[in-house]
Amino acid sequence: QVQLQESGPGLVKPSQTLSLTCTVSGGSISSGSVYWSWIRQPAGEGLEWIGHIDTSGSSTYNPSLKSRLTISVDTSKNQFSLRLNSVTAADTALYFCARVGMTGAQDSWGQGTLVTVSS
Amino acid sequence: TVLTQSPGTLSLSPGERVTLSCRASQSVSSSYLAWYQQKVGQAPRLLIYGASSRATGIPDRFSGSGSGTDFTLTISRLEPEDFAVYYCQLYGSSPLYIFGQGTKLEI
Repeated sequence: QVQLQESGPGLVKPSQTLSLTCTVSGGSISSGSVYWSWIRQPAGEGLEWIGHIDTSGSSTYNPSLKSRLTISVDTSKNQFSLRLNSVTAADTALYFCARVGMTGAQDSWGQGTLVTVSS
Repeated sequence: TVLTQSPGTLSLSPGERVTLSCRASQSVSSSYLAWYQQKVGQAPRLLIYGASSRATGIPDRFSGSGSGTDFTLTISRLEPEDFAVYYCQLYGSSPLYIFGQGTKLEI
């Protein structure tokens, strides 16, 4: 059973860059025709899809974040990463990484990591 | 496309049957409709994909149905661990994945 674990700073200053990494264990990130995604959830609110990437490096982003967003993958480390530039308080959220399985839905999730944007 | 879930909150008791609604603002393919359960302090868990297929390990008291613009998630007999927030999700839209606002099941 694949497991995912997010890591990164819990506090980011406004206008700076939010960087998170998701480490995949229990299987190779390159196995199967799947995507690796990021989803976030502000406190007390619903879920927002951020974007995903496949292991060839092809990515798709939420248009609302596209201008500030980069998702990358490092197959040698079994990791994929998120970089969100020019953050504001509106980017404060619980950030999840997840695997998109053959069903097209996110079938495995990390536990989430809270990122707060504040000076 | 916008997904609207109703009701926002449901107060029920263990043993009851419940049906949650997810309505799309335009007709969508049922192949791309999923349901998730999220408990407090936990990540969402995939319950249903393709509108009606249960994900691995999901009890058969959970079932999904629907087509076009109207989809439902039914829990045939509520267990104490089923009290959570439920989200529907559409994939293949723009953005690629969109979620409903959620329905909270409370005791």
